[in-house]
Amino acid sequence: NAGVTQTPKFRVLKTGQSMTLLCAQDMNHEYMYWYRQDPGMGLRLIHYSVGEGTTAKGEVPDGYNVSRLKKQNFLLGLESAAPSQTSVYFCASTDGDSNQPQHFGDGTRLSIL
Amino acid sequence: ILNVEQSPQSLHVQEGDSTNFTCSFPSSNFYALHWYRWETAKSPEALFVMTLNGDEKKKGRISATLNTKEGYSYLYIKGSQPEDSATYLCAASGSARQLTFGSGTQLTVLP
Repeated sequence: NAGVTQTPKFRVLKTGQSMTLLCAQDMNHEYMYWYRQDPGMGLRLIHYSVGEGTTAKGEVPDGYNVSRLKKQNFLLGLESAAPSQTSVYFCASTDGDSNQPQHFGDGTRLSIL
Repeated sequence: ILNVEQSPQSLHVQEGDSTNFTCSFPSSNFYALHWYRWETAKSPEALFVMTLNGDEKKKGRISATLNTKEGYSYLYIKGSQPEDSATYLCAASGSARQLTFGSGTQLTVLP
């Protein structure tokens, strides 16, 4: 019973490098979310998707892009990584809108040097 | 984007004590309120989702109440155990699509 799986779990990048974080869910959920978690702050929404082929900006979208080509996958891209993007990234999915609980992945710890 | 505040920021209690934390949110344009439990090195796990004023939910020794008119929710833990040590997050939504999380209450239960 995998639930929400994030790949990779850890990564170190140099400033200016690009990378893609993958989130996969096997629960047939419509809604998927990308958050970042920084010390002393709650989870902040980067981008979200309400269905295959759709994406929308959250609270802190700058410097990130996303794609939802398949219902089960939600990709988060950093085109040119910056030290300010050092964070722990969490993906979540839900069976419906925000009156349903979110199911989280284990997180990706990303360091930008 | 809502302003969701949690208090206290951290809390130490003795095993067997009962405790409670507060989550406040804007009372206008309310849609749903979530509570999550987040253990170190794990991912957040949903405890409760509440949508109606006066809602009360219970799971074992943990319960929550919701007051949408004044914009607050309480989470109660009865007879705290060391395994209850975690960060408790609340999140509120003003729409069907996104949640805004508070910064959490870090609970440590001392044996």
